Amino acid sequence: DAGVIQSPRHEVTEMGQEVTLRCKPISGHNSLFWYRQTMMRGLELLIYFNNNVPIDDSGMPEDRFSAKMPNASFSTLKIQPSEPRDSAVYFCASSLNPGGTEAFFGQGTRLTVV
Amino acid sequence: AQKVTQAQTEISVVEKEDVTLDCVYETRDTTYYLFWYKQPPSGELVFLIRRNSFDEQNEISGRYSWNFQKSTSSFNFTITASQVVDSAVYFCALSTSGGSYIPTFGRGTSLIVHP
Repeated sequence: DAGVIQSPRHEVTEMGQEVTLRCKPISGHNSLFWYRQTMMRGLELLIYFNNNVPIDDSGMPEDRFSAKMPNASFSTLKIQPSEPRDSAVYFCASSLNPGGTEAFFGQGTRLTVV
Repeated sequence: AQKVTQAQTEISVVEKEDVTLDCVYETRDTTYYLFWYKQPPSGELVFLIRRNSFDEQNEISGRYSWNFQKSTSSFNFTITASQVVDSAVYFCALSTSGGSYIPTFGRGTSLIVHP
């Protein structure tokens, strides 16, 4: 299996621009997580999907952030408009079921907003 | 609420030394899972181990071993005879039945192994 695939690996954008991060989970996994990693806050959950349905989006910072999962093999995280404080590494992870199995992470997208 | 504390921010050792990374967790749930992940300098997060709350058996995998103690709410990770390639940030994580099994991560411990 190819593992969780994220794109792009790196993104540099100007403040105010729209940014879309993409994720393909491991085939057969029905739980998907988006995390953000920063030095200040560590690894923090943004949103959790189960069977393509958002279950917990309490970590989404504000209305500028939105996430979708139109089908079992694809998810997007969109930031519009982007701000310098959104600069971070964004990870997508998937797991087989929500019952405590381990999550496997993608390689992350390093976002820099200038 | 669930919480994971990794009190050691950074540990520096010389190659071949043994090193233990501490993890203390908090939860009121009786059903929960604990995990360790490794984040090498390349940045990816690599899954190492999972334990559930009903299985306190310690585990050994090569130079790695894990000590799970419910009495002290700890899930410590020991690397025996450390190597330079072990240099990474190590994260402990917790998922609970009451938390929808969403993993909550500690702040991580940066391990530096000097040759």
